[in-house]
Formats: sequence, C-alpha cells, structure tokens
Amino acid sequence: GQNIDQPTEMTATEGAIVQINCTYQTSGFNGLFWYQQHAGEAPTFLSYNVLDGLEEKGRFSSFLSRSKGYSYLLLKELQMKDSASYLCASRKSGDKIIFGKGTRLHILP
Amino acid sequence: GAVVSQHPSWVICKSGTSVKIECRSLDFQATTMFWYRQFPKQSLMLMATSNEGSKATYEQGVEKDKFLINHASLTLSTLTVTSAHPEDSSFYICSARVLAEYNEQFFGPGTRLTVL
Repeated sequence: GQNIDQPTEMTATEGAIVQINCTYQTSGFNGLFWYQQHAGEAPTFLSYNVLDGLEEKGRFSSFLSRSKGYSYLLLKELQMKDSASYLCASRKSGDKIIFGKGTRLHILP
Repeated sequence: GAVVSQHPSWVICKSGTSVKIECRSLDFQATTMFWYRQFPKQSLMLMATSNEGSKATYEQGVEKDKFLINHASLTLSTLTVTSAHPEDSSFYICSARVLAEYNEQFFGPGTRLTVL
C-alpha cells in the first residue's frame, strides 16, 4: 500500500483480544477505513473514523489519532471466523481510497 | 448495505484474447465506481476511477489502452482487459461509492482472471 503500514501477520487465541495497528501518511487525509477480507473474497466494510477517538461497534472497535497518523482495530472475544485479513485504508481528497497490504490474523483454538 | 455484483466471477482465457468484466450496483445509482487489482497476498491496488458519462481516471502505471473502462450508465461499469497475457492473471474487484453517512465504498465479489 502507498505509505500505509500495518503488520503482515498476527496470531491470537479464540476468546482473546487483539489490536491491529496501522500508520498512514497524513497529507490529504480524509478518513480511515478498516475492511475485513476472507481469502478469495472481496473486502467487507468494518469501520470508518474521521475524527479522533474510539468508535465501538459490537466486538470491533476502531481508534484514530489524526495528529499521529495512527489507527488501530480492536477485536474482542475472538472467534474462529475472525480469521481473515484486515485492511487499513486511507481516504484521500477526491474519495480515492488507498489500501494497506493487510494484516493476516490467525486465530488458534 | 448496498449490493454490488460482478460478472463473471471467474474466467479463463487464452493469451492474446480480450475479457470483459461487468460491475453493477443493484439497488442504488453509482456515479463513481473504482476498479482494483489484487495479486495473491498483496494489497488492493487501485487501477482506475470510473465516472459515469466521462472518461475514466487511471492511476500511474496503468495502461488505459490495455484496460478499457466504460461507465455508460449509473448502475454499470465495465472493465475490458485487451490482449490479455499471463501476467494479467489476478483478482479484479470493483467498488461503488455510496453517497451516504460515510461515503464508503461497497465492493463487488471480485472476478478471478486466469490467462493461459
């Protein structure tokens, strides 16, 4: 991805909590998305942050710090079906969305 | 959420032939659609922005004469891979922007292209 950095892989245990970090280039920044993508499928929308702070949506929460160019996705009460890639994506002016390379999350029983 | 479809879901073709991929917004009108390409274990790479009624905007490094985009209606955009070669084999995904709370993009299911 274009100046979007996130870990390549992470492993966590079923029932636990995991935090996936993402840093992005702040120039032209206009919002931060998190998408979930299972292998061979298209991404599905998880969350959107444009203001600083934490957005909670069920088991998933997303945090943004615009001044630091930093976001994280927090997944609670992990389930086996949460095994997927999680894509951090930055929206630039003009609505263009730039994706990171994704973090492959492995959930162990 | 909004539904975006793609057709075909997968296609195998011979080198040198052309392949057309359709992207449709099923329950909403989309003035802007996006075409991405994703190689295995790689990120989604934006290829072009498709605007209804006007020429597509291509990203740097994407050949506009090879990847022809037509957005003739508010619900349909097509991507034609001309003179396909094995290196064009990839997962092609379209998305449509919804003018709603987040202006997020909804993705189609993707088309897996294999060029022999």
